[in-house]
Amino acid sequence: GENVEQHPSTLSVQEGDSAVIKCTYSDSASNYFPWYKQELGKRPQLIIDIRSNVGEKKDQRIAVTLNKTAKHFSLHITETQPEDSAVYFCAASKYDYKLSFGAGTTVTVRA
Amino acid sequence: NAGVTQTPKFQVLKTGQSMTLQCAQDMNHEYMSWYRQDPGMGLRLIHYSVGAGITDQGEVPNGYNVSRSTTEDFPLRLLSAAPSQTSVYFCASTKTGGGNEQFFGPGTRLTVL
Repeated sequence: GENVEQHPSTLSVQEGDSAVIKCTYSDSASNYFPWYKQELGKRPQLIIDIRSNVGEKKDQRIAVTLNKTAKHFSLHITETQPEDSAVYFCAASKYDYKLSFGAGTTVTVRA
Repeated sequence: NAGVTQTPKFQVLKTGQSMTLQCAQDMNHEYMSWYRQDPGMGLRLIHYSVGAGITDQGEVPNGYNVSRSTTEDFPLRLLSAAPSQTSVYFCASTKTGGGNEQFFGPGTRLTVL
C-alpha cells in the first residue's frame, strides 16, 4: 500500500515568517494530494489539495508544490499568523476514499 | 446541512465489551470511510464503503466490522474492545468524481480500560 512520510514532526516559526512542510509518497499511481489542518480537539479540515496533472497550486498565503518524478510534495505557508498554529497532515491517494496520511506536523507560530 | 455527524462524542469501555460508533451524512455522498487517529501516527484507514451494500477493508481493519445499508449511515462496530483500540475515531464522506474533498465528522474519543 501507499506509504507517506512527513517532515518535520514539529515546526516553530516567528510570526510573519514562512513555514514549509515536506512529504514523500511511495506509490507512483497516487494522483491526489490533499493537506489537512487540525486544531486541538477538532476535526481535520481540508486547506488545499493538488492533483497529479498540476505542479503548483496557490490559495492566498498557502501553496502546494508537487514533484511526481521525485514523489514528493510540499506545503508552504507565507506570512504566518498565530491562527496558523495547528497540526498539519499531508495525504496521498489513488482514490478519494482511501487517503494515506503522513504522521503530522505540529506548527507553532510565535508572536 | 448537518454534514457528517458522529455519536457518541466520548465513550469508555471495559476490555471485552462491544459497541457501535454511529456515523451519518446528509450530503448524499457515495463514499464513506472510518479512520482512527493515534498520537504521532496520523490517521489510519479502518474500513471504507463506495456505496450502499459495498464495504472493504482499509489499513487496520482487525477488531472492527462495518455495514452500509443506506447511503446516509455507516456504523463501525467494535466486536470485543481491547486497550489497543483506545483512540479517536473519525468518520468521513466524499462524493464521487475524483480529487474531491473528504469531509470529516467531529470524532469519537474512545477509551478502553
